[in-house]
Amino acid sequence: DAMVIQNPRYQVTQFGKPVTLSCSQTLNHNVMYWYQQKSSQAPKLLFHYYDKDFNNEADTPDNFQSRRPNTSFCFLDIRSPGLGDAAMYLCATSRALVTEAFFGQGTRLTVV
Amino acid sequence: AQSVTQPDIHITVSEGASLELRCNYSYGATPYLFWYVQSPGQGLQLLLKYFSGDTLVQGIKGFEAEFKRSQSSFNLRKPSVHWSDAAEYFCAVGNTGTASKLTFGTGTRLQVTL
Repeated sequence: DAMVIQNPRYQVTQFGKPVTLSCSQTLNHNVMYWYQQKSSQAPKLLFHYYDKDFNNEADTPDNFQSRRPNTSFCFLDIRSPGLGDAAMYLCATSRALVTEAFFGQGTRLTVV
Repeated sequence: AQSVTQPDIHITVSEGASLELRCNYSYGATPYLFWYVQSPGQGLQLLLKYFSGDTLVQGIKGFEAEFKRSQSSFNLRKPSVHWSDAAEYFCAVGNTGTASKLTFGTGTRLQVTL
């Protein structure tokens, strides 16, 4: 089945140690998104790629970066994770900006 | 800026009872509206969407939602709830031109009693 796959499902990292989360898709969608969802809160958009064009939300901290080396893969890099970055990170894709988004299962990040 | 309000943080219903989850949005033009469901520790699954046309939208798992422009609402309904429907439900809005850049409500946690 075509889908959005996030690896790993659970990630533990040390305070200040760079960490990378991975997302891949078999839907061949043009747009890929990263959302951050803290405990008992709504998902919050961090940034998105339309093809190779990167679009950062205005309030996304500089500590968060992203890479999209090809259509299928997108990575979320957290350069120096703090305790406040512990959250579920959700990757989503959409065929276009005006169509619905499909989400992966998420990666739960713990910072120790 | 667009926003979404889900007034009910937590709702408990008995299995077999009807369900209505409330959602109000704020957006200047015609919005794109979505309901997603999230089981514990899982990602978000799309239940249904409204882009245009018929204001009563049918979704998966027996859910439906009605867009009421006059009330800025997009309430989710199900006539008979099953125990497996217990989850967190998120209403979301996308704006014209960027429907899939979503602003989510804070969610409603549904508990189903047997």
